[in-house]
Amino acid sequence: EVQLVESGGGLVQPGGSLRLSCAASGFTVSSNNMNWVRQAPGKGLEWVSIIYSGDSTYYADSVKGRFTISRDNSKNMVYLQMNRLRADDTAVYYCARGGFSRSIDSWGQGTLVTVSS
Amino acid sequence: DIQMTQSPSSLSASVGDRVTITCRASQSIITYVNWFQQKPGKAPKLLIYAASNLQGGVPSRFSGSGSGTDFTLTISNLQPEDFATYYCQQSSSTPLTFGGGTKVEIK
Repeated sequence: EVQLVESGGGLVQPGGSLRLSCAASGFTVSSNNMNWVRQAPGKGLEWVSIIYSGDSTYYADSVKGRFTISRDNSKNMVYLQMNRLRADDTAVYYCARGGFSRSIDSWGQGTLVTVSS
Repeated sequence: DIQMTQSPSSLSASVGDRVTITCRASQSIITYVNWFQQKPGKAPKLLIYAASNLQGGVPSRFSGSGSGTDFTLTISNLQPEDFATYYCQQSSSTPLTFGGGTKVEIK
C-alpha cells in the first residue's frame, strides 16, 4: 500500500527556516516523480515543487530561490527545505507522488506550516 | 505559465443531479489535465487523469472530457458523498497549475 507521511511543520518566525520531511512506503521515491503542494487556510491548492525521477527539479515562482526539494533514496524520503519564510507561506504542505500523465496519484495527510511573529 | 480557469466557483445541486464543471487552459495542453476531489480537512484525491481516464477505484459516475484548452468534469447521478470541492490541474508543463476550485454544495 502506498503511504506518504509528512513531518516537520510548525510555527516559525518570518525570515526563518524549516525542513519538511516525507516518508514514503509501498514504492520507491527514486523511481517516481515527487511533488510538494500547499494549501493556505481556506484557499485552493498551489503546486510548489517537483523532483523528477531523473533528478531534475522545478519550483513555483513564489518559492524559487527560497525552497529546495531533495530526496534520500537510501531512506526513501523526500524533503522540502524552506528558507526566508514569509507570512504567505503559511499553509498545509502535502507530499504527493506523481502518476500517469504527470498527474498526482497519492497524497500524504499534510503538515501545517505557520509563519508568524 | 499556464493559467487554469475553473467554473463555476460553486454550485448547489441535489442528490441524483448531473453536475458539470469546466476548466479552461490559457494555452493548449492537449489532454494533460487532471481532476481532484477534496473534502474538508482531507488531502485531495485523484479522480481523472489525462482528461478522460478514470483513476482506479473511482466510481464510474465520474467522467472527464476535452482536449486542447477546454475540459469538463461530469458527475452523473450525484451522491451524498460527492459533496466536496473539485480542482482541475494541468500537467503539460511546470509550474503544474491548479484551477481555483469548484465547491459542490447540497441544494
